[in-house]
Amino acid sequence: AQTVTQSQPEMSVQEAETVTLSCTYDTSESDYYLFWYKQPPSRQMILVIRQEAYKQQNATENRFSVNFQKAAKSFSLKISDSQLGDAAMYFCAYAGYSSYKLIFGSGTRLLVRP
Amino acid sequence: SQTIHQWPATLVQPVGSPLSLECTVEGTSNPNLYWYRQAAGRGLQLLFYSVGIGQISSEVPQNLSASRPQDRQFILSSKKLLLSDSGFYLCARNMGGPGPDTQYFGPGTRLTVL
Repeated sequence: AQTVTQSQPEMSVQEAETVTLSCTYDTSESDYYLFWYKQPPSRQMILVIRQEAYKQQNATENRFSVNFQKAAKSFSLKISDSQLGDAAMYFCAYAGYSSYKLIFGSGTRLLVRP
Repeated sequence: SQTIHQWPATLVQPVGSPLSLECTVEGTSNPNLYWYRQAAGRGLQLLFYSVGIGQISSEVPQNLSASRPQDRQFILSSKKLLLSDSGFYLCARNMGGPGPDTQYFGPGTRLTVL
């Protein structure tokens, strides 16, 4: 069975600095997608970024980028120029080609210090 | 449009009362639909998913049930609520069929059982 692990329950970053959130996963599939979702205090889940496993190039969305290491099964999220609005829970998630389901990690709470 | 509507936004119910939460989606026909529950400070737990009208898969045995009476309507129900049913309920959708498609989430319903 696939699993997703986020080993950092909480991270803190100074406004305008850069922070990296870690995520590792376990799977025997070769084709899959990985996601980072943001959950602000409103608790709505918002897609931050998506990475297709067959693509070697790391996905980027404005200040958000990933470091995807397929062999190491690692998928970290880098947030550059952190803003107060980035404060939220961040969830890493896995979706395989053989399933309808999305498998979530336990989340990392990001605090942004002004 | 990926718009997802959830009703109601907030609900306070006594133990033993019935429950009906509604999720409706706009856009593509025959989406996959999902119900998740999130306890305070915790990750997401998949409760049910549906790949078509009348087709429901249950992930966790409990006193909840789900139905999909129309293509774009997904309902979460209970005949008798328990205290442990309190939480934040999220509806999600993606394109039809298996595979690693992005899930998009609704705004959620906050349920408190007293």
